[in-house]
Amino acid sequence: GAVVSQHPSRVICKSGTSVKIECRSLDFQATTMFWYRQFPKQSLMLMATSNEGSKATYEQGVEKDKFLINHASLTLSTLTVTSAHPEDSSFYICSAREGINQPQHFGDGTRLSIL
Amino acid sequence: AQKVTQAQTEISVVEKEDVTLDCVYETRDTTYYLFWYKQPPSGELVFLIRRNSFDEQNEISGRYSWNFQKSTSSFNFTITASQVVDSAVYFCVLTSGGSNYKLTFGKGTLLTVNP
Repeated sequence: GAVVSQHPSRVICKSGTSVKIECRSLDFQATTMFWYRQFPKQSLMLMATSNEGSKATYEQGVEKDKFLINHASLTLSTLTVTSAHPEDSSFYICSAREGINQPQHFGDGTRLSIL
Repeated sequence: AQKVTQAQTEISVVEKEDVTLDCVYETRDTTYYLFWYKQPPSGELVFLIRRNSFDEQNEISGRYSWNFQKSTSSFNFTITASQVVDSAVYFCVLTSGGSNYKLTFGKGTLLTVNP
């Protein structure tokens, strides 16, 4: 089956640090990748949609300067949380899909804790 | 606007019981796709099934079965002879062209299977 690898799985760092999370589709080419944020006991909230070679489309209320997304190839997208603060602590999940109506396959998520 | 309602926030059963997770959806599109994803305590999202709006056949996969009823806009998920490993949050998800194929998540149902 389609595999999406997300790295790192857990990050603990000090306030003010920038953190980069990688999302890779291992056995398929992902025309579109998505970044979600999930708070405890809540559903996933879409942050942005990333298409290879173009700028990401951010959902309303998501700061694009805070959450930098790069989708440089058909198999890799990165999310950088810039100057992270404790309120950015959350579970971040990426997903990738091959085609427009294909299932999204999710990475294992990254637990980000900002002290 | 699209909407997915999972009315059951939490369900607790004893091992070997059958359990049905309800999902009701709303969309104005005639072509749409429905999914179920499983999120175990470890956090990763596992794709279970995809259904398109033109295929109302019910599906069975091992102990899992899905009942898609367009007349009631429901896509219910039944686990037969539940096991402890089935304990997870289950998300019903909708997507269609009307949402640019973004995923609309239900709030999830936390299933706890007790030994």
